[in-house]
Formats: sequence, structure tokens, C-alpha cells
Amino acid sequence: GGIITQTPKFLIGQEGQKLTLKCQQNFNHDTMYWYRQDSGKGLRLIYYSITENDLQKGDLSEGYDASREKKSSFSLTVTSAQKNEMAVFLCASSTRTHSGNTLYFGEGSRLIVV
Amino acid sequence: GDSVTQTEGQVTVSESKSLIINCTYSATSIGYPNLFWYVRYPGEGLQLLLKVITAGQKGSSRGFEATYNKEATSFHLQKASVQESDSAVYYCALSLNSGTYQRFGTGTKLQVVP
Repeated sequence: GGIITQTPKFLIGQEGQKLTLKCQQNFNHDTMYWYRQDSGKGLRLIYYSITENDLQKGDLSEGYDASREKKSSFSLTVTSAQKNEMAVFLCASSTRTHSGNTLYFGEGSRLIVV
Repeated sequence: GDSVTQTEGQVTVSESKSLIINCTYSATSIGYPNLFWYVRYPGEGLQLLLKVITAGQKGSSRGFEATYNKEATSFHLQKASVQESDSAVYYCALSLNSGTYQRFGTGTKLQVVP
């Protein structure tokens, strides 16, 4: 088995601040994802990466940057935090891109903007 | 675009009663759907409950079943007799074998009461 570790669990920042979330996986999976979870809106994909140094935009990429410098890690940066984007951010990984492959999720990081 | 609809935000069921959580999908892209149910138990991360990648097939896990109905574009989750330990949030998800990433429904919170 493996595990996905997201840090920090809670990220508190001020409006307009640049904030970064980190994700590590030890599954040796090729593909990693960042989803945003808002109450009543399900999960929406922000960015994904099919291999080291690859980045692909999802449905909600505006206002975010991502970085995949190593196969095992994938970070997400909120470029200018806004109060209306307080949400839970979920990192996930899978063996290969999309299709019928199972996603394995971390426990989530909650963003709080003050 | 491709989408998943879960009509019930919350469902309350008495212990030992049957359960159906509805999921319908729309797949406008080229390719065959892969369908998933994920579950988040209290205090835990989101995890796969079951998946089906072939039309007409049934997936099952932990007493839950879901059948991929291509004609009705549905993938409803059913259980004959629920337990309190089934209380959780359930998410339906869709990807296409042509290579799209998984899209999620808005989730259904199941509360099982004694």
C-alpha cells in the first residue's frame, strides 16, 4: 500500500497573499491531481500532471499555479488568496492517466482566508 | 461537457432499511464511460467504494451494488440493508476511456439512524 500526505492540514492566510499547498505520494504513481471541494459543489479539478515536469489545466485553474518537480510530489499555489475561495483542497494520484484507474486521495488541506 | 448529477444532497435512512442513491451522467465527449463511487467516512479520506468500466456490469463492495445502465445513463448505488457504520458522504464520478479525467457529482450525505 501507499499513502498521500498533504501539508499543511490547515492553511491560514490573508487576502491577496500567495499560499502554497504540498502533496507527497509513495505509491510511485505517474499521475497526480489537485481537486477543490466546496460544500454543495462536489470536487472540481484544478490541475493535473501525468509525469514529472508536466502540467495540465483542469476546469478551475484560473488563480492557481502548480508544480511537479519530482514524480512523488505535486504542489499547488493560490496566487492571490480570496475569501470566496475558502475550501478543502484534495490531492490525488493514480497509476496512469485517467481512464478506469482508481484515484487515491490525501486527507485534504483546508484553506482559510482572513 | 461531461457531467455527473446527484440529486440528493442528504439522505436519512433507518438502520436495516434499503437504500438507493441516485447518479446520472452525461458524456458528450467521445469514448466509453468509466463509472465510480467514492466514499468519505467521518474522519477519513475519500476512497474508492466500487467501479464499473463496462456497460451492463455491476460493481459491488461492502454490501453496496451499482449497475452501469447505458440506456438510462445511470449508475445508482444500492444497498439492501444499511448499518450505522455506512453513514458517510458518497460521490459518483465519471471518466471516459478516451482519456478524460474523473468528474465528480456534488455528493450525497447518508445518515443512518437507529
